[in-house]
Amino acid sequence: AQSVTQPDIHITVSEGASLELRCNYSYGATPYLFWYVQSPGQGLQLLLKYFSGDTLVQGIKGFEAEFKRSQSSFNLRKPSVHWSDAAEYFCAVGSAGGTSYGKLTFGQGTILTVHP
Amino acid sequence: DGGITQSPKYLFRKEGQNVTLSCEQNLNHDAMYWYRQDPGQGLRLIYYSQIVNDFQKGDIAEGYSVSREKKESFPLTVTSAQKNPTAFYLCASSIPGGRGGNEQFFGPGTRLTVL
Repeated sequence: AQSVTQPDIHITVSEGASLELRCNYSYGATPYLFWYVQSPGQGLQLLLKYFSGDTLVQGIKGFEAEFKRSQSSFNLRKPSVHWSDAAEYFCAVGSAGGTSYGKLTFGQGTILTVHP
Repeated sequence: DGGITQSPKYLFRKEGQNVTLSCEQNLNHDAMYWYRQDPGQGLRLIYYSQIVNDFQKGDIAEGYSVSREKKESFPLTVTSAQKNPTAFYLCASSIPGGRGGNEQFFGPGTRLTVL
């Protein structure tokens, strides 16, 4: 079964500092990987996704993520955090076939707090 | 504008009552999903449907029911059998397969509170 682990429940950074949110996945084949962001009381918005090809993917709002097969990781990064980035971030893995086709499995989320 | 709508935004229910949450999409997506979100637990899949008139149980289907009579609509009923229904409910849709993979698009959510 596929699974996702986000080791950090809560991260606090200063505005302008760099950010890395960790994501480790378990999946038997090449995964589809996603990062979503959620503001309080809102739905989820897709930041970026990886299906194949270049292992460094660029997303919206200046975010990027790197797929590392050897480490089963898909960490999210941003070089300079803005106060508006404060939100909860979810990593997700998707299946490419079988009975679970189309389903996503989400991590528990990482809450990001940004200090001025 | 294309998107997913959920209604109502806030819903209050007395214990022992069934309640139905609405989810509508105009993205022409085949697949639709219902998730439950509790603090610190991420999103857990309740039910999903890959095509009209067909749906499958997710990881936490007990106490919930769904229907998929139209492509655009996927209502979720929270029954009195659900022991702890207070949560934030999210609906999503996607086009399974193809180069888009299974990226899911989310609605704004419904917060259900049992009084």
